[in-house]
Amino acid sequence: EAGVVQSPRYKIIEKKQPVAFWCNPISGHNTLYWYLQNLGQGPELLIRYENEEAVDDSQLPKDRFSAERLKGVDSTLKIQPAELGDSAVYLCASSSNQGDTQYFGPGTRLTVL
Amino acid sequence: DQQVKQNSPSLSVQEGRISILNCDYTNSMFDYFLWYKKYPAEGPTFLISISSIKDKNEDGRFTVFLNKSAKHLSLHIVPSQPGDSAVYFCAARNWGQGGKLIFGQGTELSVKP
Repeated sequence: EAGVVQSPRYKIIEKKQPVAFWCNPISGHNTLYWYLQNLGQGPELLIRYENEEAVDDSQLPKDRFSAERLKGVDSTLKIQPAELGDSAVYLCASSSNQGDTQYFGPGTRLTVL
Repeated sequence: DQQVKQNSPSLSVQEGRISILNCDYTNSMFDYFLWYKKYPAEGPTFLISISSIKDKNEDGRFTVFLNKSAKHLSLHIVPSQPGDSAVYFCAARNWGQGGKLIFGQGTELSVKP
């Protein structure tokens, strides 16, 4: 069974530019998560989807971050405009349902210059 | 407010010996605890978990112990192998918050041959 797929794996952009990350969860998983991981820290939840609905986006900086999960499968996380402090690894995870074990993708390492 | 803490950023152990990774938490509402393992350039991989109603869970070389009164859990790896060298994250779940995981900062384990 394929795991969580993320692309791109690496992205380097200049500040003030937009950037987007894509995630394809494990087939059949209803719950999808986006996490932010700063260097030397554990992942921190940005947003959680139950199917198409964003049920927890309390940690998402909504002035510059947005996310969508059309059709309840793939998801996209966008930053516009990017700032230097956004440099981090962005992880996507999925689980069968809320509260079940979460499986992570390899992440996208973003560098903002 | 760091609800889950891993106070040892690194640990070095000789191959064949026991590795003990520690984790402390502050929120008594956590009902489930997990350990994830992360290799460089990969996403975290689920390793083992324990419910708050148990005090021990074992899976092969890996055992997790939970001391609720001390709000402390530990991961024991016996015997340690060089392939166990990775960053280990402790995570805690609060079912009342929709299964949201709170991660510790991670401990980097190095197993020397």
